[in-house]
Amino acid sequence: SYELTQPPSVSVSPGQTARITCSGDALATKYPYWYQQKSGQAPVLVIYEDSKRPSGIPERFSCSNSGTVATLTITGAQVEDEGDYYCYSTDSSGNHRGVFGTGTKVTVL
Amino acid sequence: QVQLVESGGGVVQPGGSLRLSCAASGFTFNTYGMHWVRQAPGKGLEWVAFIRYDGSKKYYADSVKGRFTISRDNSKNTLYLQMNSLRVEDTAVYYCAKDIVVVGPEAFDIWGQGTMVTVSS
Repeated sequence: SYELTQPPSVSVSPGQTARITCSGDALATKYPYWYQQKSGQAPVLVIYEDSKRPSGIPERFSCSNSGTVATLTITGAQVEDEGDYYCYSTDSSGNHRGVFGTGTKVTVL
Repeated sequence: QVQLVESGGGVVQPGGSLRLSCAASGFTFNTYGMHWVRQAPGKGLEWVAFIRYDGSKKYYADSVKGRFTISRDNSKNTLYLQMNSLRVEDTAVYYCAKDIVVVGPEAFDIWGQGTMVTVSS
């Protein structure tokens, strides 16, 4: 089965850099997408197609990819960046099924 | 603006059925694939199903295959999820989401606010 693994939690002080990894075999051929979910809200897309940001997403969000590991970086994290972050990709085996990462809770305090 | 609004959630007994709807507006519905994603209480996100823009292709997670059916009515700009043989473990918030590309499945750029489904006796 296809899996994407993330660390359960990341904690930083305001202004520091937060890094969230996402690892999985299929990332060697596909960039993941990244979603932010704040408490009680629907997820929001923050990174797509390697390191593009949708309109309204701050420049402090970026992504890098190396082999089977992708890293979401929040440079100069703000309190409002707290939430759960999920990577996402589709199974590269051809069955077109989607898979979310295990999720990372980001705390900024 | 682009909007997705889910409805149809509720409380149902194990083995029962429920149909969710998702009304789309603000974009050309019949040119994008659509997804259902769910989130059990206190848990992570789980992709459930995808339907191509014209309904010609459908894909399901193993956990729901054979029990859930995704469909769409492009004349009504509405996405559906028919859920049969419901189990306690299907309890979750169900989100509909628009695919980010014309020919999916790829990922999601727009999400609804979700509708809660509770399976309990």
